[in-house]
Amino acid sequence: DSGVTQTPKHLITATGQRVTLRCSPRSGDLSVYWYQQSLDQGLQFLIQYYNGEERAKGNILERFSAQQFPDLHSELNLSSLELGDSALYFCASSGGTAAYEQYFGPGTRLTVT
Amino acid sequence: DQQVKQNSPSLSVQEGRISILNCDYTNSMFDYFLWYKKYPAEGPTFLISISSIKDKNEDGRFTVFLNKSAKHLSLHIVPSQPGDSAVYFCAATNFGNEKLTFGTGTRLTIIP
Repeated sequence: DSGVTQTPKHLITATGQRVTLRCSPRSGDLSVYWYQQSLDQGLQFLIQYYNGEERAKGNILERFSAQQFPDLHSELNLSSLELGDSALYFCASSGGTAAYEQYFGPGTRLTVT
Repeated sequence: DQQVKQNSPSLSVQEGRISILNCDYTNSMFDYFLWYKKYPAEGPTFLISISSIKDKNEDGRFTVFLNKSAKHLSLHIVPSQPGDSAVYFCAATNFGNEKLTFGTGTRLTIIP
């Protein structure tokens, strides 16, 4: 158990809809990272927050947004969903601003129909 | 542009033998490398890492080798055990950076 929790585990929704994925980092970790893993692909970095502030952005679509709250949990919002957004979404946390060793949650599997 | 490449999608190894997983990178700015292991329905788990100032790092049955001139790293598992069957991801970053760049993974199967 990495100490990172993600909800929900599975999500099935229709095209055009909006969903919110939630992540709670390990106790004491200030950085939260979001990754997307599509079929047979590696993990693609989406965005990082550090202590409530956006720190780095990767290949995140404009339809996607994220935030980190004062209690350090984070939410990833995906809107105007398309079939191609079906993927595993992982959240990870680390103790500092640098990536180094990140601890991953179990992921949320999103299926867009 | 795939900056971190794992060219073998799968690998099968007999239990007790050595497993060698390979990873190549193209970005010469990378100076810290990590291996993650992933079981089905779980998130990746950190396994071992190496800084570019070293060429080898060992942790129990796991050893990572780094060849900077070839931009190549490898993970050796000796001896391989059935519980090592998983997908292994190589990742790279540079000190002070905010993200990990992952390879596409190698599925390792240990044959009893």
